[in-house]
Amino acid sequence: AQSVAQPEDQVNVAEGNPLTVKCTYSVSGNPYLFWYVQYPNRGLQFLLKYITGDNLVKGSYGFEAEFNKSQTSFHLKKPSALVSDSALYFCAVRDLGDYKLSFGAGTTVTVRA
Amino acid sequence: DAGVIQSPRHEVTEMGQEVTLRCKPISGHNSLFWYRQTMMRGLELLIYFNNNVPIDDSGMPEDRFSAKMPNASFSTLKIQPSEPRDSAVYFCASSTPSGQLEDVDEQFFGPGTRLTVL
Repeated sequence: AQSVAQPEDQVNVAEGNPLTVKCTYSVSGNPYLFWYVQYPNRGLQFLLKYITGDNLVKGSYGFEAEFNKSQTSFHLKKPSALVSDSALYFCAVRDLGDYKLSFGAGTTVTVRA
Repeated sequence: DAGVIQSPRHEVTEMGQEVTLRCKPISGHNSLFWYRQTMMRGLELLIYFNNNVPIDDSGMPEDRFSAKMPNASFSTLKIQPSEPRDSAVYFCASSTPSGQLEDVDEQFFGPGTRLTVL
């Protein structure tokens, strides 16, 4: 079985400050990890993914995520947040032996000007 | 590419009526997924198609729900009869060819259909 936990329902940061959205996962095999962002009244948009290789993955809009196998984490980061980054963020995991994506509950990010 | 297209974007209907949601995946994508999003349950996978064939429909909540994919460019999700608890946002997503387990390509989501059943 595979699952994802996003421990924070909400994250609030000031514009220009670093942004971190936390994600931990559980899989039986090798994890394939994804981050998606959802803006109001829109579908989910792909940000980045980790398959293998370098633990630091860079994605769209200046976001990056670090895969940490020992801590089973895949936290999303952005060095300098923008007001336009305010949205709902989902972490998702897929096990090597499965086609299904398991999504976390989502974290609402609010960046204040 | 226009991305995944869903229609209608909004649907308001009365309990007991039939509802049909439509999806056009990205051209060339052979895997198609239907999801439901609610505040209480988050994102739930309803059904997965690969090469137009339903592979896993274990997420379909009841017999009132059915999905078809008659060809590579079109899929429908039907609810008959609809109930107020079916109110949610329904998303369709597609991913790149083959859908094989060793392929790890991201899913591309449509804008969703917001369904309200009164």
